[in-house]
Amino acid sequence: AIQLTQSPSSLSASVGDRVTITCRASQGISSALAWYQQKPGKAPKLLIYDASSLESGVPSRFSGSGSGTDFTLTISSLQPEDFATYYCQQLITFGPGTKVDIK
Amino acid sequence: QVQLVQSGAEVKKPGASVKVSCKASGYTFTSYGISWVRQAPGQGLEWMGWISAYNGNTNYAQKLQGRVTMTTDTSTSTAYMELRSLRSDDTAVYYCARDPGALEWFDPWGQGTLVTVSS
Repeated sequence: AIQLTQSPSSLSASVGDRVTITCRASQGISSALAWYQQKPGKAPKLLIYDASSLESGVPSRFSGSGSGTDFTLTISSLQPEDFATYYCQQLITFGPGTKVDIK
Repeated sequence: QVQLVQSGAEVKKPGASVKVSCKASGYTFTSYGISWVRQAPGQGLEWMGWISAYNGNTNYAQKLQGRVTMTTDTSTSTAYMELRSLRSDDTAVYYCARDPGALEWFDPWGQGTLVTVSS
């Protein structure tokens, strides 16, 4: 089964910072990757699908890129509401998550 | 709007069963599947399985085979997940999520149902 790793596992950042989270697959998965945001006590929310397609209603400061085994989620200018945990997903496998908190 | 509303929290004893419901609205229920995902306290997301609301076909996570059953009721646009022989490590928040059918992404998600297994 494909395994997904995320780096970093956590990061501290300030409002306005550019943040990049990486997801690496144990084998090539073309562009079949999604990203989710989860806030404490809430369900995950889809941000990006097909590696780089922005889900309707998601702010344009979120973007995704990559294909094959290496993928990134970028937040161009971190906002207060973006402090959360981010997960990548490929088919039945989720990455372990990256927690973004306030510096 | 597309919405999935799940049943309320449950407390069960080890060895018991739990059945969680997920009522869909705002879209044609039979045009999508439903995946179930759980999250143990403080942990990550674990995919449990998928059911087609069109024909009832299922695909379960290997580790849950034999203990989980997913069903749908198309007359009420509701999906169900039953987990049997509960253990303490089944304590988790259980989510349903709409699935276009190929497990490519899940959207939207239900609000979650906390299942606590405790003697």
